[in-house]
Amino acid sequence: GEDVEQSLFLSVREGDSSVINCTYTDSSSTYLYWYKQEPGAGLQLLTYIFSNMDMKQDQRLTVLLNKKDKHLSLRIADTQTGDSAIYFCAETGFRDDKIIFGKGTRLHILP
Amino acid sequence: DAGVTQSPTHLIKTRGQQVTLRCSPKSGHDTVSWYQQALGQGPQFIFQYYEEEERQRGNFPDRFSGHQFPNYSSELNVNALLLGDSALYLCASSLVGTGDLDTQYFGPGTRLTVL
Repeated sequence: GEDVEQSLFLSVREGDSSVINCTYTDSSSTYLYWYKQEPGAGLQLLTYIFSNMDMKQDQRLTVLLNKKDKHLSLRIADTQTGDSAIYFCAETGFRDDKIIFGKGTRLHILP
Repeated sequence: DAGVTQSPTHLIKTRGQQVTLRCSPKSGHDTVSWYQQALGQGPQFIFQYYEEEERQRGNFPDRFSGHQFPNYSSELNVNALLLGDSALYLCASSLVGTGDLDTQYFGPGTRLTVL
């Protein structure tokens, strides 16, 4: 079945880079996403990558995809206090409307 | 440009009751998806509505039903509430046919507590 796994917690010092990792099981995954959820707020789509890409960079965000190992990572450069949130890895299949989410990684920023 | 809105923000019900949650999609969007997010978990797909019909359904019992209106807004109904139905219910809207990726935009959610 479809499953998305990610570590639950990550602590990073302000100014350092954060790397959040995720693994998924569905080999037919077409799009892989990173969503951000701040307390009391809905989900914000940060970035996504199509399954035929290896890397995508968007300002401070870099997404790496290893399709062979079904491993996705999100790197946040120069982590700021405003980056403190829960980050969800998610995927959809080809022409599939539902998004499968991981349990989320809580990113804590140390001063 | 109004984003996805949901009402109410919070709701408290007792076991066995019925509840209706509402969602207005982002302006220009025609598709609404509903997700359940239990505490400490990621969102789980309940169903999606397009052209006033249920297009796809996740692994949820028939107690969960929905409706989409001609103005694309949507309702989620849950009957015979159980304690385990306590969760944040998220609505997401998208526009079908905009490309390979019909990006889903999420609302702030409705927090349902069942006592």
